[in-house]
Amino acid sequence: EAQVTQNPRYLITVTGKKLTVTCSQNMNHEYMSWYRQDPGLGLRQIYYSMNVEVTDKGDVPEGYKVSRKEKRNFPLILESPSPNQTSLYFCASSQGDNPSYEQYFGPGTRLTVT
Amino acid sequence: AQSVTQPDIHITVSEGASLELRCNYSYGATPYLFWYVQSPGQGLQLLLKYFSGDTLVQGIKGFEAEFKRSQSSFNLRKPSVHWSDAAEYFCAVGAQGGSYIPTFGRGTSLIVHP
Repeated sequence: EAQVTQNPRYLITVTGKKLTVTCSQNMNHEYMSWYRQDPGLGLRQIYYSMNVEVTDKGDVPEGYKVSRKEKRNFPLILESPSPNQTSLYFCASSQGDNPSYEQYFGPGTRLTVT
Repeated sequence: AQSVTQPDIHITVSEGASLELRCNYSYGATPYLFWYVQSPGQGLQLLLKYFSGDTLVQGIKGFEAEFKRSQSSFNLRKPSVHWSDAAEYFCAVGAQGGSYIPTFGRGTSLIVHP
């Protein structure tokens, strides 16, 4: 089954404790991205990657890091989480960076930073 | 840069009634337009998309949307709503010919009364 998986689905952590949210897709997609979803703000893109070792900032990259060492994986790293990063996070993938391609979304990771 | 406005935060309809969710975009050229649905606890799923050609597009689950260039709109419609349509709906716009950072609207929450 074609899918995007994220782990963990739920995470509660404390300020400053480094964490990683994993994302994996099994569709051999080149393009992957991370979004955060906040009430009243919709989805905002954090980072995206057009291929292995190629990443770039989205609209709200501050406080986040990503890496793309393998085509299927695109982890999101919070080196020193803060309460304003409490949010619902989605990973997505698509065939390429052409905006005509449909994005496939993971189920989401709900992060709470206290 | 492109932008998307979904003017309705919540829409309440009765089961069996017709539905129209509004979406207005701002972009200098012909955009790529999408509607996604997010069911509770799930990721986003593509309902339909418009790139060019016929301005009335059909999607999954009985939804359709009409692109109106003169009004910069891409409203989503369904003739008869089912209780299972209760969800969050997002309109998104992508820029043709450029790097791909899609812009999502803030979402419209659909409530369906029995």
